[in-house]
Amino acid sequence: EAGVTQFPSHSVIEKGQTVTLRCDPISGHDNLYWYRRVMGKEIKFLLHFVKESKQDESGMPNNRFLAERTGGTYSTLKVQPAELEDSGVYFCASSQNLRTDTQYFGPGTRLTVL
Amino acid sequence: AQKVTQAQTEISVVEKEDVTLDCVYETRDTTYYLFWYKQPPSGELVFLIRRNSFDEQNEISGRYSWNFQKSTSSFNFTITASQVVDSAVYFCALSETSGSRLTFGEGTQLTVNP
Repeated sequence: EAGVTQFPSHSVIEKGQTVTLRCDPISGHDNLYWYRRVMGKEIKFLLHFVKESKQDESGMPNNRFLAERTGGTYSTLKVQPAELEDSGVYFCASSQNLRTDTQYFGPGTRLTVL
Repeated sequence: AQKVTQAQTEISVVEKEDVTLDCVYETRDTTYYLFWYKQPPSGELVFLIRRNSFDEQNEISGRYSWNFQKSTSSFNFTITASQVVDSAVYFCALSETSGSRLTFGEGTQLTVNP
């Protein structure tokens, strides 16, 4: 069974540009989460989808970040326009259902904003 | 609010030594879940263990063992007879309800030298 996949693995952009990150969860997993780790600090929660609905988006830093999960499958996270402080590693995780709870993570996308 | 503290930023040991990674958590809930994840140099977060707050039994899996003590709000992780392949960043995490966001500690960088 394939794990959580993320694309791209690395992205280098200039301040003010737009970047879109993609996450493909484990097949059959209803729950999808986005997290990020900035400057070697702790990994912080961004938002949680249950199927195509946003269950909790309280961790989204501001309105420059837009997450979607069309059809309840893959998800995209768009940053527009990117700022220097957005640099970090963006992780995606998925879990089968809320009762089983364990979140399985992808390899992350390293975003560098110059 | 929930919080996870991993006071050890970096630990360096020589192969075959035992090493304990500390994790202290704060939560107001009586039901919660604790996790450990491993991040090897390749970058992905690998799930190691999940425990719920009602199960204080210590767990052993090969060279890995976990000591959960509610009295001290700690969930420590011990690697016995460490190996070079154990070198990674280890994260402790907490969720207050099943399926909800994870709150991570800042991680402990473990280096096992030959």
